[in-house]
Amino acid sequence: AQSVTQLDSQVPVFEEAPVELRCNYSSSVSVYLFWYVQYPNQGLQLLLKYLSGSTLVKGINGFEAEFNKSQTSFHLRKPSVHISDTAEYFCAVSEGRAAGNKLTFGGGTRVLVKP
Amino acid sequence: AAGVIQSPRHLIKEKRETATLKCYPIPRHDTVYWYQQGPGQDPQFLISFYEKMQSDKGSIPDRFSAQQFSDYHSELNMSSLELGDSALYFCASSFRNTEAFFGQGTRLTVV
Repeated sequence: AQSVTQLDSQVPVFEEAPVELRCNYSSSVSVYLFWYVQYPNQGLQLLLKYLSGSTLVKGINGFEAEFNKSQTSFHLRKPSVHISDTAEYFCAVSEGRAAGNKLTFGGGTRVLVKP
Repeated sequence: AAGVIQSPRHLIKEKRETATLKCYPIPRHDTVYWYQQGPGQDPQFLISFYEKMQSDKGSIPDRFSAQQFSDYHSELNMSSLELGDSALYFCASSFRNTEAFFGQGTRLTVV
């Protein structure tokens, strides 16, 4: 069985400062990895995904993440945040055969960007 | 671009009532997923359908059932509602094992 751990439940950060959201996973098979963002009262929007290839993945809104197989991590980063980045961020894994399998989510990290 | 459409967006039901949530996937997507997100929780997988057949099942209560119709839309039926069923219910769709795209969700409140 797979599981996802997001190490920080809340991350306060000042505007224009960098932010890193940590995600670790465990799985007995190869996985596909995703980061989703959820704004208040909204659905889940895909930020970026790792399926294969380069371990550094660039997504929308200036976010990027790095897949580290040896550390089973997929940390999300942004060099300079905006107020509009205030949201909840979920790391998720899809096990094995395809990216279209069911997703297992981490507990979420709430990012609060302060002016 | 077309997105996943869920209806209704909000629903208030009393305990022991029945609710039906609808999901219209992105055109040409062949897989539909249902997730439940309780207050302050991460989304939990309920059930999925591939080409109108159930493909996977998660922690879905026996009081819940779902199906995918010939036009690929899906419905989640929830009976004997309990207070604990209050949550945000997401539908997602994907095409040929690519990543899933989520709808805006239906917020169900059971009173």
